Parts: sequence; structure tokens; C-alpha cells
Amino acid sequence: GAVVSQHPSWVICKSGTSVKIECRSLDFQATTMFWYRQFPKQSLMLMATSNEGSKATYEQGVEKDKFLINHASLTLSTLTVTSAHPEDSSFYICKPLADTDTQYFGPGTRLTVL
Amino acid sequence: AQSVTQLGSHVSVSEGALVLLRCNYSSSVPPYLFWYVQYPNQGLQLLLKYTTGATLVKGINGFEAEFKKSETSFHLTKPSAHMSDAAEYFCAVSGSSNTGKLIFGQGTTLQVKP
Repeated sequence: GAVVSQHPSWVICKSGTSVKIECRSLDFQATTMFWYRQFPKQSLMLMATSNEGSKATYEQGVEKDKFLINHASLTLSTLTVTSAHPEDSSFYICKPLADTDTQYFGPGTRLTVL
Repeated sequence: AQSVTQLGSHVSVSEGALVLLRCNYSSSVPPYLFWYVQYPNQGLQLLLKYTTGATLVKGINGFEAEFKKSETSFHLTKPSAHMSDAAEYFCAVSGSSNTGKLIFGQGTTLQVKP
């Protein structure tokens, strides 16, 4: 069964609203969470890295005030897209990292901003 | 710094034919290399990975890849394509075997014709 879940799997919102995406590691505790973004028919780009209980580290070009990441527990991380605009429409995928080698990505969340 | 180049954004083969997806990398440190498969609107599934040791790596679904340091390549092969192999394939590089911080190639769409 799936060891990483994301919710929602698909969301459509109006421009200007905020959307929260949850990523849960089901069978293990994730000390670190990676968030990726994938534009249509493109590759995955790392957005940010978060460690449980500390602030996230954002990749160059990613606005930290727009993409709020909270890693409040070892099994849950959230990504909030604030004041979403059509250009934020993308596939968002999380990847938890545990102490042992894991290679599980979340199933992804498709965000469409109208 | 690390980067990945996948030669050919679209590859088409006949069912039963050899599958060859090309990946070249650049890395200033010993690379860890990965191949992932992505089906539409789904997350990524690990096919295989190279860390250290044997340069020929066998993965799931009959896929294998060979690490060639002299050619900075990590091409993915499968002797006989199946219709279910049609998907998007991503090559990725990392500086560690256990990390979510991956640099992805642009992806290759594999089409399998009956």
C-alpha cells in the first residue's frame, strides 16, 4: 500500500485564494520533506526542503512568502500556495526523507487556478 | 553542481522491441543515479538506482541501466517493450544515495505501438 499520501489529489481554485496541500508519511517518520513542482509536460523542480520543527529552505527563484511550508510533525508537512494565480497551476509532489533509505514520492496534487 | 540531460523527449518503439532511453549526467562529486517512471497524473515510482558497486543495475519491470563513468551516462534499457511500459521516464542525479534532493532530467515520453 501507499506509504505517502497527499491531499487533495486535485484542486481547482479562483485566482487570489489560498490552497493548502497536505503530505503525510504513513509508515515512517519523515525528518525532512522535499517539495517539488512539475509544470505540464515538464520535469520536476525542487521548490524547498523542510525539517521537522524548523523553517524551510527554499530554492533560488521560489518565493517563500508565496509558498508557505509547515513541517509541524514527523508525519505531516503542508504546502500552502497563497494568493494563487494561474501561473501557479502545476503538479505539486512531496517526497519525505526518513533515517532509512526511502524512495517514495507522494502521489501528487494537481492545482488549477482559474 | 549537478545536471542531467535526457536525449530525446519522445521515444517510440513497437511492442516487443528494445527500449533504450538515454541519460547523461554532470556531477562534481561521485553521482548517485536514478530512473523513475511516471504514469499520467500520478507520482513517481523508482525503477532502479545506482549508488556504488556493480555498474549494471537491474530494476523492476525488466528494466536495467548501466553506469558508465567514462561516458557520464546512465542509459535505461529493456529487452522487450510492453504496452504497459508507455509512460514518462525521468533520470535523476544526487550527491547521496539517501536524499530527496534530486536533480531531474527533462523526461522522456515512451510510446509503445502495438
